[in-house]
Formats: sequence, C-alpha cells, structure tokens
Amino acid sequence: ILNVEQSPQSLHVQEGDSTNFTCSFPSSNFYALHWYRWETAKSPEALFVMTLNGDEKKKGRISATLNTKEGYSYLYIKGSQPEDSATYLCAPYSGAGSYQLTFGKGTKLSVIP
Amino acid sequence: DTGVSQDPRHKITKRGQNVTFRCDPISEHNRLYWYRQTLGQGPEFLTYFQNEAQLEKSRLLSDRFSAERPKGSFSTLEIQRTEQGDSAMYLCASSSNPNTGELFFGEGSRLTVL
Repeated sequence: ILNVEQSPQSLHVQEGDSTNFTCSFPSSNFYALHWYRWETAKSPEALFVMTLNGDEKKKGRISATLNTKEGYSYLYIKGSQPEDSATYLCAPYSGAGSYQLTFGKGTKLSVIP
Repeated sequence: DTGVSQDPRHKITKRGQNVTFRCDPISEHNRLYWYRQTLGQGPEFLTYFQNEAQLEKSRLLSDRFSAERPKGSFSTLEIQRTEQGDSAMYLCASSSNPNTGELFFGEGSRLTVL
C-alpha cells in the first residue's frame, strides 16, 4: 500500500483568492498521478491524469504540475469560485499491472462567497 | 445517463442484518472496482473485477464482505452481519483504459448501521 500524503487537510478561502495544495507520493514504480474532484452528493470525477516529469496540465482555472523524481504534485486554482468547493483527491498509479489507485485523504476546499 | 449508477444511494440497517449494493458500470468498461470511504479518509480499495473474473479480493475487509460480477456487467457487494464499523460510503468505479487507470465513479451508496 502506497503512502500518499495530501496537504492541507482543509482550506477555507474567499471567493476570488487563488490557492494551491500538495500531493506527495512514492517516486518508485511511478506510472501516473491522478487528481479527482469530489463535490458533496456527487461522484468523484477525474480532473487530470499526469504521467511525465515536469508535466503541467490545465482545465479552465485549475492547473496541476508533476515532479516524479521527488514524488509530488501541486494543484492550483486561480480565482476560486464557490463552485470549486469540493474535496480534491490525488492518487498515484503504478501501471496496468497494479489494477488499483491508492488515494490520499484529500484536501477539502471551501470557497466563501 | 450512461455513467456509473449505484443502488441504493442510502441504506440504514440494524447491526447484524445483511445488506447488498448494486453497481452498473459504463457498458463498454471491462474493469470494475469497489472502494470504501470513511469520514476523513480517502477512498480505500476493496476489490476489482476484469470482466466477470475477480482478480483481487484480498483487501475485502473481512469474510463478511463479498462481491460478484456474474456476467461481467453489473456487480453486487454484500456485507453480512453488519457492524457499526461498516458504516461508510461504498463507491463503485469502472474503467476501460489500463494504461491511464482513469476511474469513472458512481455517486456511492451510503451505509449507516445502527
């Protein structure tokens, strides 16, 4: 079982603020890093699947970076909006033979209007 | 809606009763996963099917937990003789791409054991 750490555990920001959080994971046997967003009463949905060291992905106001050598990824949200309120989960993936994702505990973001 | 569906969404039961959850994955997905999420924790892997074959079940929490996917389509997760510690959100996910491992989740089945 992989040790996946996410920080902070929870975060309250004002609408319009930018924010970021961290996921750290073992750098050995790395194949991909997943970010999911889980809004209350909805299903978790994939934001990004990242594979390459130095990779940066963007979806609207949300972006993520990946450092596979040191085993961390950052998720950034620019100009937070109330609809960004959710739990953000990261999970490293060791490739087709591993069959499972090991999730961190998540960062719960609350955006105050 | 062609996403992953789970039923029931909520289940309240008394300790000692059996419960069964159903998951209907995205139809073309051959991989199906069950996860459990408790308060303050991330989703915890329970078991995995590729088509009808259960390829990993060692993470099922005890012998009271069992899962099936008889025809390689829908799946059921059964908990026998429920305990209060079984109260959790049970998530089902499906996948078709082993290269990325991207999961498509249902909305979960929340179990409360009184």
